[in-house]
Amino acid sequence: GQNIDQPTEMTATEGAIVQINCTYQTSGFNGLFWYQQHAGEAPTFLSYNVLDGLEEKGRFSSFLSRSKGYSYLLLKELQMKDSASYLCAVRDENNDMRFGAGTRLTVKP
Amino acid sequence: EAGVAQSPRYKIIEKRQSVAFWCNPISGHATLYWYQQILGQGPKLLIQFQNNGVVDDSQLPKDRFSAERLKGVDSTLKIQPAKLEDSAVYLCASSSGTANTGELFFGEGSRLTVL
Repeated sequence: GQNIDQPTEMTATEGAIVQINCTYQTSGFNGLFWYQQHAGEAPTFLSYNVLDGLEEKGRFSSFLSRSKGYSYLLLKELQMKDSASYLCAVRDENNDMRFGAGTRLTVKP
Repeated sequence: EAGVAQSPRYKIIEKRQSVAFWCNPISGHATLYWYQQILGQGPKLLIQFQNNGVVDDSQLPKDRFSAERLKGVDSTLKIQPAKLEDSAVYLCASSSGTANTGELFFGEGSRLTVL
């Protein structure tokens, strides 16, 4: 079967660092994606990993270990506007993009 | 560059009625996806088109849902007859398939309420 698991909710403080984990089991692997989704809006692309290691993009970084079926999204210097759902998605062998249920992050002052 | 266009933004119908959603992807994007997102959940893939051909419709409830992309550009998703559990946001996304990452670009979605 295909599973993409991530925590349901997380809370962090403004200015802090938060790590959102994702584990996956899919039929084939052609990349792991993180998307941000604010309430009532469409998902927007944050990051992409296809090889093992860390990809850094400003305040956001994403890590992938293909052998462990594991990824994380790291958000630094949290801002109130970072309160949103973060979706882990895997592109499989059919080029289908399959999403996890999302992690709802609340940033508190 | 214009984004993915979807209509209508909102639709309220009664159960057993029918509804259709329209999507126009980003110009030149060969791949088009329809997702269903129920409140509090992640998007669930319904169907993937590559140009005007279906790549994967394994999760499309074919007894009531249908989708087409006849000319390989815009697409329609139809539900007939609707059930209460079909209440969700229907997201259309497109991808060029040639970009380095191949990320999806989403439309704003069509929010369906079935009463």
